[in-house]
This record gives sequence, C-alpha cells and structure tokens, in this order.
Amino acid sequence: QSMLTQPPSVSGAPGQRVTISCTGSSSNIGADYDVHWYQHLPGTAPKLLIYANTNRPSGVPDRFSASKSGTSASLAITGLQAEDEADYYCQSYDTSLSGSLFGGGTKLTVL
Amino acid sequence: QVQLVQSGAEVKKPGSSVKVSCKASGGTFNTHSISWVRQAPGQGLEWMGAIIPIFDTPNYAQEFRDRLTLTADKFTTTAYMELGGLRFEVTAVYYCSSEVGDCHGGNCYSVWGQGTLVTVSA
Repeated sequence: QSMLTQPPSVSGAPGQRVTISCTGSSSNIGADYDVHWYQHLPGTAPKLLIYANTNRPSGVPDRFSASKSGTSASLAITGLQAEDEADYYCQSYDTSLSGSLFGGGTKLTVL
Repeated sequence: QVQLVQSGAEVKKPGSSVKVSCKASGGTFNTHSISWVRQAPGQGLEWMGAIIPIFDTPNYAQEFRDRLTLTADKFTTTAYMELGGLRFEVTAVYYCSSEVGDCHGGNCYSVWGQGTLVTVSA
C-alpha cells in the first residue's frame, strides 16, 4: 500500500535538536521522487518548509534541514523554539497512485 | 508573488455538493498546477487532485475520482473544486495550493489559499 509513515509525535526542550522521519516505499521516495516538508499551525494554511529533499525556501531559518536516503527522508530542527510547535508533514509523488501523497503528520511539542 | 484567495465557509446537507473557488492574483496562473488538499478534524493533510489550467486536464486521487470535479477559468484566473456525495464526508477544511516559484514543475506546494471550512450537517 502506498503511504508515507511519520511518527505521530515528537518532543524536545527549547534549544534541543529533533528529527522527524518519513518512511516510504519503492513507489514514492524509493522511486527517486522528491520529498517536501510542510509546517502546519492550527488555523493557518500549511507552509512549505523544505522542497526537493534539501532546499529551504527564502525566509525559512537554517535551523530547519532535511535529507533523503533510499526509501526514507528526515527533517531536522535544531535550536528548538516555542514557535516551532506545530504539525509537520512530508509529501512526495507516488507512481502507484499517480498523484501526490502526504505523510500522516507529526505533532512537535516544545517542552 | 502569487496569492490565492478562497471562497467563504459553507454549510451543506448530507448528500449534497459543494463548490469552492480559489482566485489567483499577482502571478502566472495558466501554467502552474493548482492542487486541492483537505484536512478533516484531527486528521492529516489529504491530496485530492490537481489541474493545470492551460491543459485543463485534471488528475484525481483515487478516493475522490467518482465525486470530484476540478475546473479552472483561465480568464478569471480562478480554480474550482466541486465535491459531490457529501453524505460520506465529515466537516473539513479545503485548501487550494499552487506549484509556483520554487515548486514549479516540482510537485510541491509553495503558495496556499487560506482554506475553506465545509460543514456537513443535517
């Protein structure tokens, strides 16, 4: 089944580093399709955080970084701040679905 | 910079249809894919489908293939999402998004509408 799997939640103290994984399969990440990451705060529209696996749009702090390897990808946030508390989603293309696919989302709690 | 402005909240009865608009301004509309994404309460983001206005050939997610119609008006630079069979739907927020700038041709969504809440209630 085509899906992108993320941990439901992660947490960290201010200043710490956290990572969020995104595990796919041979029909999406493993087929060399790009992975993108979004930050979603309640009541607002999602915001593009990382595009094409590792690239930050203008205005996104360099505390946010990402990588991709094989059938998985990972988002890292360093120097955690209270304002980083949000839901984070990975997204890619899936050949079996012939369309986009979002991960289930990960809720980041800043302790 | 492209901006997307969506139509207002809707309340619909089960079994009916809803049509949401997404007006683009400030940039190129025709050649950039417009996708629709929804989020039900307590759930994650779900891709519904996409359309490139200049080609006018939509691509639908399997789950919505029988009930979803995406259209785009090149002259008013407005995209539309019509979802029928709301009997099976719960209240959700529907977003339009565009693959402009960094995302052009890259299957990601760099600009988003503000979201439209569709409430299904008898």
